[in-house]
Amino acid sequence: EAGVTQFPSHSVIEKGQTVTLRCDPISGHDNLYWYRRVMGKEIKFLLHFVKESKQDESGMPNNRFLAERTGGTYSTLKVQPAELEDSGVYFCASSQGRGPYYEQYFGPGTRLTVT
Amino acid sequence: ILNVEQSPQSLHVQEGDSTNFTCSFPSSNFYALHWYRWETAKSPEALFVMTLNGDEKKKGRISATLNTKEGYSYLYIKGSQPEDSATYLCAFMFDSGAGSYQLTFGKGTKLSVIP
Repeated sequence: EAGVTQFPSHSVIEKGQTVTLRCDPISGHDNLYWYRRVMGKEIKFLLHFVKESKQDESGMPNNRFLAERTGGTYSTLKVQPAELEDSGVYFCASSQGRGPYYEQYFGPGTRLTVT
Repeated sequence: ILNVEQSPQSLHVQEGDSTNFTCSFPSSNFYALHWYRWETAKSPEALFVMTLNGDEKKKGRISATLNTKEGYSYLYIKGSQPEDSATYLCAFMFDSGAGSYQLTFGKGTKLSVIP
């Protein structure tokens, strides 16, 4: 069974540019999560999709971040325009169910550097 | 604001030594505690999902215990091997109130096993 995949693995962009990150969850997982780790800090929740619906987007930093999951399969996270403080590793995770006892399976992350 | 603390921040041990580290979390409104093993540039790998006070779980040479009343969990590694070198993350699962359960991570304990 294929795991969670993310593309690209690295992205270097200039301040003010736009970047789109992609996540492909494990097939059949309705629940998809985005997290971010800024250097030296802990991994932080951004948002949670159930199928194509945003269940919880309380962790999204501001309106420069837009997440979509059309068709309830893969998801994209767009940052527009990027700022220096957006640099970090963006993780995607998926799970079969949304309860607290379900494992969340993580992808390898996209390392974003904004210069 | 939920606080998940891990100690120590980093640890160097000799191959063959046994070691343990701590995760502290809020003792109220407990749902689950997740442990992950993370090597940089790879996907965080789920180790355990711990749900009940007094839980003890084991996977090979790695085991974990849980005390929800006092808000801590220990991770033990018996006979450390160089391949155990990684960052060990714990994450407290809480109900965001938006029909979603979020993982709140600690900063991790970085383990280096010296051959």
